[in-house]
Order: sequence, then structure tokens, then C-alpha cells
Amino acid sequence: AQSVTQLGSHVSVSEGALVLLRCNYSSSVPPYLFWYVQYPNQGLQLLLKYTSAATLVKGINGFEAEFKKSETSFHLTKPSAHMSDAAEYFCAVRHSTGGGNKLTFGTGTQLKVEL
Amino acid sequence: DAGVIQSPRHEVTEMGQEVTLRCKPISGHDYLFWYRQTMMRGLELLIYFNNNVPIDDSGMPEDRFSAKMPNASFSTLKIQPSEPRDSAVYFCASSFDWGTEAFFGQGTRLTVV
Repeated sequence: AQSVTQLGSHVSVSEGALVLLRCNYSSSVPPYLFWYVQYPNQGLQLLLKYTSAATLVKGINGFEAEFKKSETSFHLTKPSAHMSDAAEYFCAVRHSTGGGNKLTFGTGTQLKVEL
Repeated sequence: DAGVIQSPRHEVTEMGQEVTLRCKPISGHDYLFWYRQTMMRGLELLIYFNNNVPIDDSGMPEDRFSAKMPNASFSTLKIQPSEPRDSAVYFCASSFDWGTEAFFGQGTRLTVV
């Protein structure tokens, strides 16, 4: 079964520092992978997605992620953190099941940005 | 399009009462998902529909939960009877096709006292 694992439930960085949020996937077929962000009391918003085209995917707000098949990873990065990046981030995989398909999320990583 | 619309935004109810959560997906989207989010369990997929047909309801916790999608523009998630452990934020999401992203509503924060 396809799944994603997010390493680190909490990550803290200084403003201006590199952001690295880790996501590893498990999939027997080429996956479709997504990163979502959730701000307090809000729904989830798509940051970026990988759908088997370019392995380096650029998203909104300066975020990007690289699909590495050899490492089964899809880590999210941003060169310079901003206070407004503080939020919870979810990695997700889209996969087929029983004739349909569904989106399964990781457990989330809370990003804290400090001055 | 106004996005995925959920109502109500907040619901407080007493244990044993029936609760109905509503969702209007984005027009033209073929998939509709219901998720539950709690601190303990994170985001859980409860059920999803494709073209108004329930495809996978394996995430529905128990028989007290039911979901319907009578047409392409409306879905409900019902809990009867409600229990305190059902307190959570319930999200509805929709997507156009396989491989495309899901768009989320603002969620319904349910509190069962």
C-alpha cells in the first residue's frame, strides 16, 4: 500500500535560514506526490505537486521539492525562511485503490520560525 | 468559483444528538473526500466519492457515521448519535481527476459535549 512518512513532527528554524521538511514515500508504482500547508484555523492549501514530469518541482511562496526515486524521497525546501512560513506542512500521496484513487496524508510537520 | 464550501464552520452539540455536516464541492470536480483531523490521529480519510458514488468508506469509524452525495454539488456527513470522541475538525475536499490536487474547504470544527 502506498504511504508517506514525514520525519520530524516539529522543525524550528531561524528567520532567513534554510527550511528542510522531510517526506519519504512508499509506492509500488510511480506516485503522484503533494505538499500542502495548513495555517491555523484554515483548510489545507496546495504548495506543489509531482506528477511524473520534472523531478524538481517549484511551488508557491518560494518552496520547492525534489523527487528522488533512488531515495524514495520528496523533501520540501525553501532557501530562506520567513516568519509567515510558520504553519503545519503535510506530504501526501495519491494512489489507486479498489478502482478509484485517494489521497493519503503524512502525520504533518509543524514549522516554527524564530527571530 | 468560490472553492469548496463547508457548513457550518463551527458546531457544538450535546452527546447523543444527530450532527450533519455539509459540503459543496467545486463545480466540475469528480472526486469528493471527507477527512477528519485530530491532534491524536492527524488527518484521516473517512470516505471518498467518485461521480457521486462512494468508492472507499473504509475510514469511516463506525456505523454511527454515514455520508451521502445525492448530486454532484452536495454531500453530507452525518453522525448519529454523536459522542465526545467525535470532536474534531472535519474537512471536505474535491478534485477534478486522478493526479490532480485536492482543494480543501475551511473545515467544520465539531465539539460534542
